[in-house]
Amino acid sequence: KQEVTQIPAALSVPEGENLVLNCSFTDSAIYNLQWFRQDPGKGLTSLLLIQSSQREQTSGRLNASLDKSSGRSTLYIAASQPGDSATYLCAVINTNAGKSTFGDGTTLTVKP
Amino acid sequence: DVKVTQSSRYLVKRTGEKVFLECVQDMDHENMFWYRQDPGLGLRLIYFSYDVKMKEKGDIPEGYSVSREKKERFSLILESASTNQTSMYLCASSYPRAYGYTFGSGTRLTVV
Repeated sequence: KQEVTQIPAALSVPEGENLVLNCSFTDSAIYNLQWFRQDPGKGLTSLLLIQSSQREQTSGRLNASLDKSSGRSTLYIAASQPGDSATYLCAVINTNAGKSTFGDGTTLTVKP
Repeated sequence: DVKVTQSSRYLVKRTGEKVFLECVQDMDHENMFWYRQDPGLGLRLIYFSYDVKMKEKGDIPEGYSVSREKKERFSLILESASTNQTSMYLCASSYPRAYGYTFGSGTRLTVV
């Protein structure tokens, strides 16, 4: 059974720092990996989707990498801003039917 | 802009009531999902559907049923609401396999 782990559970940084969020998974037979952002009391907003054949994806200040062989993905946030404060979740799609396994998330606080 | 729409942001229901949570997507996605999210427990899959009238149990289907009569609509039914079903309910849709999820904004259900 696929297990997805995100460490740390919480992270606090000063504004302007570059930071890395980690996501690890136990079964490398995945179709894709997706990073989400969730604000308190809201739904999940997709940030980046990495197909299994890809190594990374970029969108603005965000860069996500995928290393299937080691079962790891990272989300890099450059020049963090207070508006980046949220919970970040990763999810791996690991079945032909398209079902995902989600991590529990990393709650990020960026202090002004 | 593509969307997954959940009919209610907040609901308060009484114990024993039959509750319907509605989800509509406009992306012609085959897959639709219902999750609940609770502090410390992460996202847990209740049911998913990979085609009209097709459904599959997720990790926590007890006390719930679903209906998918049309491709764009996926309904979650609480047959007899109980206080332990107080939660945030999230609907998502996707194409099968190598495509990502789109989530709705969530329904915060309180059962009193």
